[in-house]
Amino acid sequence: KQEVTQIPAALSVPEGENLVLNCSFTDSAIYNLQWFRQDPGKGLTSLLLIQSSQREQTSGRLNASLDKSSGRSTLYIAASQPGDSATYLCAVPYGGATNKLIFGTGTLLAVQP
Amino acid sequence: DAGVIQSPRHEVTEMGQEVTLRCKPISGHNSLFWYRQTMMRGLELLIYFNNNVPIDDSGMPEDRFSAKMPNASFSTLKIQPSEPRDSAVYFCASSSGIASYNEQFFGPGTRLTVL
Repeated sequence: KQEVTQIPAALSVPEGENLVLNCSFTDSAIYNLQWFRQDPGKGLTSLLLIQSSQREQTSGRLNASLDKSSGRSTLYIAASQPGDSATYLCAVPYGGATNKLIFGTGTLLAVQP
Repeated sequence: DAGVIQSPRHEVTEMGQEVTLRCKPISGHNSLFWYRQTMMRGLELLIYFNNNVPIDDSGMPEDRFSAKMPNASFSTLKIQPSEPRDSAVYFCASSSGIASYNEQFFGPGTRLTVL
């Protein structure tokens, strides 16, 4: 059974710092991995989707990497800003070649001005 | 595009009452997903549809929960009777297919409180 965990559960950093969020999954036979952002009281916004054949995806100050063999993905945020404060979730499809998602436990990020 | 639309945004009801949550997927998307988010269990898939047909409802917790998709632009999730442990945020998401590469787009959610 696929399990997805995220470390740390919460993180507080000063503005301007670079940071890394971690996501681990137990079954390496994944088709892709997706990172989401969730603001308080809001829905989920997709940040990056990495296909299994890719090693990295970049969008602005965000860079996501994927290492299937070790069951790990990282989300790197450069030059963090208070507006980056949110919960970050990773998710992988499970149950065959469909996009049913199983989500990680999330990392609550607070960027202090 | 308006994105995925959910209503109501907040619902407070008393135990035993029927609750109906509504979702309008993104136009042109043929797959729709219902998720539930709680502090204890995180985000869980309840059921998903493809071309208005339920494909997998193994995540539906009990017979008190039911979901329908009468047409491509509307879905409902009904809880009858509701219980306090059903209190959660319910999200609807849509995508242009159910293949693993199809990205899902989420609505803002409905926060349900059952007293």
